Amino acid sequence: EADIYQTPRYLVIGTGKKITLECSQTMGHDKMYWYQQDPGMELHLIHYSYGVNSTEKGDLSSESTVSRIRTEHFPLTLESARPSHTSQYLCASSESGGASGEQFFGPGTRLTVL
Amino acid sequence: AQSVAQPEDQVNVAEGNPLTVKCTYSVSGNPYLFWYVQYPNRGLQFLLKYITGDNLVKGSYGFEAEFNKSQTSFHLKKPSALVSDSALYFCAVRDLTGGFKTIFGAGTRLFVKA
Repeated sequence: EADIYQTPRYLVIGTGKKITLECSQTMGHDKMYWYQQDPGMELHLIHYSYGVNSTEKGDLSSESTVSRIRTEHFPLTLESARPSHTSQYLCASSESGGASGEQFFGPGTRLTVL
Repeated sequence: AQSVAQPEDQVNVAEGNPLTVKCTYSVSGNPYLFWYVQYPNRGLQFLLKYITGDNLVKGSYGFEAEFNKSQTSFHLKKPSALVSDSALYFCAVRDLTGGFKTIFGAGTRLFVKA
């Protein structure tokens, strides 16, 4: 079944740790996105990708980095986590070409940095 | 620059009554408009979209939205609200002249009372 997956769903870590949030989709979409969202608040685009080996920073400055080595995989990495990184991270994907561009979201990763 | 406004932080409605969640937008070209819903501790789910054609579009769970070009609005509606409709609703706009990025509104929390 075509879907978009995020792991872990919940993560509690200490300050200074390196973490990678995983995102994979089996929908065959070229475009992928990472959003940061404080609970019940608005979404902020932090990274996006047109396709393999293409990544761009979003509207919200973020200390995280992303990579896109495979179409289906778009991991987000924090080299040194801080309490200010505590938030929910949502991954999404959408079709390319002339498609209207609705996005399909994963369930999110709720990150807490102590 | 494209933008989306959801003027109400919260909408309260009694079960069985009609509901409206408001959205206005600003784009330089023709808009693609979307509504998404977010249930607690979940990612966003696509509800419906307007691309072209009939101004009234129907989507999932009995929701519909009316595109009004002169008022630059895209209000979400449902004839009879359910308690299970209680969630956070996001309006979004995509302007093809601005690339494929989608701009999300700040969200409106809908409470449906039994």
